[in-house]
Amino acid sequence: GAVVSQHPSWVICKSGTSVKIECRSLDFQATTMFWYRQFPKQSLMLMATSNEGSKATYEQGVEKDKFLINHASLTLSTLTVTSAHPEDSSFYICSARDVDTEAFFGQGTRLTVV
Amino acid sequence: DAKTTQPNSMESNEEEPVHLPCNHSTISGTDYIHWYRQLPSQGPEYVIHGLTSNVNNRMASLAIAEDRKSSTLILHRATLRDAAVYYCILRKGAQKLVFGQGTRLTINP
Repeated sequence: GAVVSQHPSWVICKSGTSVKIECRSLDFQATTMFWYRQFPKQSLMLMATSNEGSKATYEQGVEKDKFLINHASLTLSTLTVTSAHPEDSSFYICSARDVDTEAFFGQGTRLTVV
Repeated sequence: DAKTTQPNSMESNEEEPVHLPCNHSTISGTDYIHWYRQLPSQGPEYVIHGLTSNVNNRMASLAIAEDRKSSTLILHRATLRDAAVYYCILRKGAQKLVFGQGTRLTINP
């Protein structure tokens, strides 16, 4: 299957700082990318959907000023968690798809805010 | 959005077949049935999808009821590496994937 690479795999940051997570589609063009968050022992929760060159569409309850999403090219999307706090500690997962293809997922980024 | 219902957990033995059920009684005619699985500390992995007919691939088989109100993911010969949370998801076309709670599959050696 297609490969989606997420970086970093894990990150620890201090409270109040910002963290950027990258998501790359390695062998296909990702016209649409999705960002999910997953807390321990829970399912994935969709945060936002982004189409290349357009502003992201955020799910209800997700703060767009806190979780900045950029999808500037067909192979790269970034999620920036701004002014991170301990409650933002979670497993962040990206997903990418092209038109008429399945969605493929990155390996996830474990964020710990201390 | 049409919802799916799956058992919270299932257990099976290594090298035996596993049948993972999914109910989707409110499925619409344009909903595709997708299955993904998530191994511990990893992102989800695509398993299989179908619309009306049964589907087979190298990972699994998908059996879809004639009325499409239920489906079953079949792992023909489970291995320890198949231990994961399996998600059954309905999706129309290019819509987003919305995950439910899934079924946690345990494989006994």
